[in-house]
Amino acid sequence: NAGVTQTPKFQVLKTGQSMTLQCAQDMNHEYMSWYRQDPGMGLRLIHYSVGAGITDQGEVPNGYNVSRSTTEDFPLRLLSAAPSQTSVYFCASKSGGRVENTEAFFGQGTRLTVV
Amino acid sequence: GNSVTQMEGPVTLSEEAFLTINCTYTATGYPSLFWYVQYPGEGLQLLLKATKADDKGSNKGFEATYRKETTSFHLEKGSVQVSDSAVYFCALSDLTGGFKTIFGAGTRLFVKA
Repeated sequence: NAGVTQTPKFQVLKTGQSMTLQCAQDMNHEYMSWYRQDPGMGLRLIHYSVGAGITDQGEVPNGYNVSRSTTEDFPLRLLSAAPSQTSVYFCASKSGGRVENTEAFFGQGTRLTVV
Repeated sequence: GNSVTQMEGPVTLSEEAFLTINCTYTATGYPSLFWYVQYPGEGLQLLLKATKADDKGSNKGFEATYRKETTSFHLEKGSVQVSDSAVYFCALSDLTGGFKTIFGAGTRLFVKA
């Protein structure tokens, strides 16, 4: 019963490097999203997707790209890492239907440090 | 736009004490309201939810009532345990926001034995 799986769990990058955070869900959920969690700021939405081939920006999209080629996978790409992107990143998924009622399922998180 | 405000922490309580974590919201539509809990080193998981006014969500001894007149969804527990130590997030989502769930800043709870 995997749910939402994120990899890696920890990552250290140098400024200017690029990398991809992986997210996969096995619940056939239509909706997937990426959040970043920073102290005192709760979770802020980076990008989200309402289905394969459809993505949109959230609250803090700059410096990040996403794609959704399959229902299961929703990778987050950091194009050129900056120290301001040091954070804990969470991927979440949600089923369709009445989306405002359904709970979000979260991965374990990726702790990213940019030096 | 939609927003959630919850009380700042940390909150430190002794075991068996009464817990209240305040949460108020601003929304243009008729949101559903949620409490999520995050244990150390883990992702968030749903604690309870309420989908319309006057609904009470409950789980594991925690309760919260959807109060439309005061736009509030305060979390309560009558007797906390050490194992309740975690970060608690109030959240909302509604039709106008689609999939976007809006979270509060989180309240860290420490329970001492």
